[in-house]
Amino acid sequence: RKEVEQDPGPFNVPEGATVAFNCTYSNSASQSFFWYRQDCRKEPKLLMSVYSSGNEDGRFTAQLNRASQYISLLIRDSKLSDSATYLCVVNGAHYGGSQGNLIFGKGTKLSVKP
Amino acid sequence: GAGVSQTPSNKVTEKGKYVELRCDPISGHTALYWYRQSLGQGPEFLIYFQGTGAADDSGLPNDRFFAVRPEGSVSTLKIQRTERGDSAVYLCASSQTMGQGAWGNEQFFGPGTRLTVL
Repeated sequence: RKEVEQDPGPFNVPEGATVAFNCTYSNSASQSFFWYRQDCRKEPKLLMSVYSSGNEDGRFTAQLNRASQYISLLIRDSKLSDSATYLCVVNGAHYGGSQGNLIFGKGTKLSVKP
Repeated sequence: GAGVSQTPSNKVTEKGKYVELRCDPISGHTALYWYRQSLGQGPEFLIYFQGTGAADDSGLPNDRFFAVRPEGSVSTLKIQRTERGDSAVYLCASSQTMGQGAWGNEQFFGPGTRLTVL
């Protein structure tokens, strides 16, 4: 089983739609989780950290389910500018690496159409 | 302020050649990271520095890859005897201190160097 798995998509949705991305991670001891956004041919940028209690930032909501080793990202009222690849990320401390080692999923591509 | 910068932005080389990729982190950031991203994949960790020392080099694929950060600021990733499989975007990131998680220290990425080995 890969360390971090995501549905690669693409997800093609109309403006205003609600879309959800899911991600699973392999090590139950993992402590830190993030969603990064990557625009085409650009560098990844932190979208939000994922906390145990779940967290929301405007139209974006992140959830963590430790029992199922599952992370989700919900985008409400999607905008054209949300089109990007969304990368699920786990801190590598429990995968033979260190706190400085981020493990990225392959990413889920989102395309928001007018 | 200035973000992470990387040079060159593109590098085309021939199989067997030696290449150096440079990263200039955000001023004051003590931690520096190198990742590699192949087409259709997420970034893959290579190495990270805390100050001048390599704190974790577990991601370096083999001994053809080496990185230095002699003064605790600029870092150079060096690849010897390049192979076609080394073709990828090499991303550098920096953060104020080590790691991300409990400390919440975000890793800021540079634009990457696109390496093509012919």
